Amino acid sequence: ETGVTQTPRHLVMGMTNKKSLKCEQHLGHNAMYWYKQSAKKPLELMFVYNFKEQTENNSVPSRFSPECPNSSHLFLHLHTLQPEDSALYLCASSQEAAGGLYEQYFGPGTRLTVT
Amino acid sequence: KQEVTQIPAALSVPEGENLVLNCSFTDSAIYNLQWFRQDPGKGLTSLLLIQSSQREQTSGRLNASLDKSSGRSTLYIAASQPGDSATYLCAVRPNNNAGNMLTFGGGTRLMVKP
Repeated sequence: ETGVTQTPRHLVMGMTNKKSLKCEQHLGHNAMYWYKQSAKKPLELMFVYNFKEQTENNSVPSRFSPECPNSSHLFLHLHTLQPEDSALYLCASSQEAAGGLYEQYFGPGTRLTVT
Repeated sequence: KQEVTQIPAALSVPEGENLVLNCSFTDSAIYNLQWFRQDPGKGLTSLLLIQSSQREQTSGRLNASLDKSSGRSTLYIAASQPGDSATYLCAVRPNNNAGNMLTFGGGTRLMVKP
């Protein structure tokens, strides 16, 4: 257990559905991240939140909409997805403080299949 | 733009062998480098983190080294076991002022045969 949980662990959705992925960290960290891991491609950063404010949006299509209501919770709202969005979506957190290690801790991921 | 490469992409060894996984990066202006382990379909487990000012870190049978000037890191696994079979990923974080995003390599898929 890394202290980062994700739900659901598996999700199958149609292209017209709307769903949300949830991430919760129990580590007291102040930064949270969404990553996408597709088959045969390196992990790609999607979004970064520092102190609940979005600081990175790595050219992600608008059909992915992040939400960070507090420093412990992060959501990824999905709508009108494409089959190529099928991937493992990973959430991570870290403590961002001057001089710190900035080690990132990852959740178990949500395996998303878009049909 | 930072690029991270891991060689080899896949490796199969008999149990008990010592092995080295390689990670190279193009921009030496890094804050730290992390090595992760990923089991199939699962999340990432952090193994070792090396700060840019450090040369190596050790945890049990694992030793990670960093040569920042040449853009290289190695992960040494001693006396490999079947339970070490997994994908190993390295990731670099840019210097403080460049944000807190990690750039990942493509990973090395390790199989340790009994």
